[in-house]
Amino acid sequence: KNEVEQSPQNLTAQEGEFITINCSYSVGISALHWLQQHPGGGIVSLFMLSSGKKKHGRLIATINIQEKHSSLHITASHPRDSAVYICAVILAGDMRFGAGTRLTVKP
Amino acid sequence: SAVISQKPSRDICQRGTSLTIQCQVDSQVTMMFWYRQQPGQSLTLIATANQGSEATYESGFVIDKFPISRPNLTFSTLTVSNMSPEDSSIYLCSAGGWNTEAFFGQGTRLTVV
Repeated sequence: KNEVEQSPQNLTAQEGEFITINCSYSVGISALHWLQQHPGGGIVSLFMLSSGKKKHGRLIATINIQEKHSSLHITASHPRDSAVYICAVILAGDMRFGAGTRLTVKP
Repeated sequence: SAVISQKPSRDICQRGTSLTIQCQVDSQVTMMFWYRQQPGQSLTLIATANQGSEATYESGFVIDKFPISRPNLTFSTLTVSNMSPEDSSIYLCSAGGWNTEAFFGQGTRLTVV
């Protein structure tokens, strides 16, 4: 079993919809990252979380340490949000990555 | 924050040849990381590069195949040697991420023919 599980694997939405991507992990971590990977391959860091909730523009990330679960929400989704979203956790000095969620937002 | 410039962004190479990928950071960082992302898969750590010491390779990756240089605190290179089609992947360099934001290069999309 992968230590970092993301769902869904693929997600298609209409412009304006509220998007939720989930990440569950199996062991205690020191931090969790949400990353965005564009079609060219480059990766941008969206959030780093160790507790609670963070908001940046239309993006919101939450983490529940007790439940070992994090969510990334996108409000008022837009076609430019189309990308692969990756959850990564810091575990025992290593960064472990989820398989990613491929989001497509249609106009 | 840090900005990492990675080049080349993509290349198509003949099997048996080698390609060197460069990453330049706009600030000093202690550790840099090199990842491979095979088609449709997540990132796999190749090695950790510290300035002034040999890189630390993960299981399944060896220095002869993926030699790494780290001449100073702002620069690192990864060479993919004696390439085969199985080496076709995206290669990414990274810094930070432990108790700080993670920074990634733009990625190098390598195709070996």
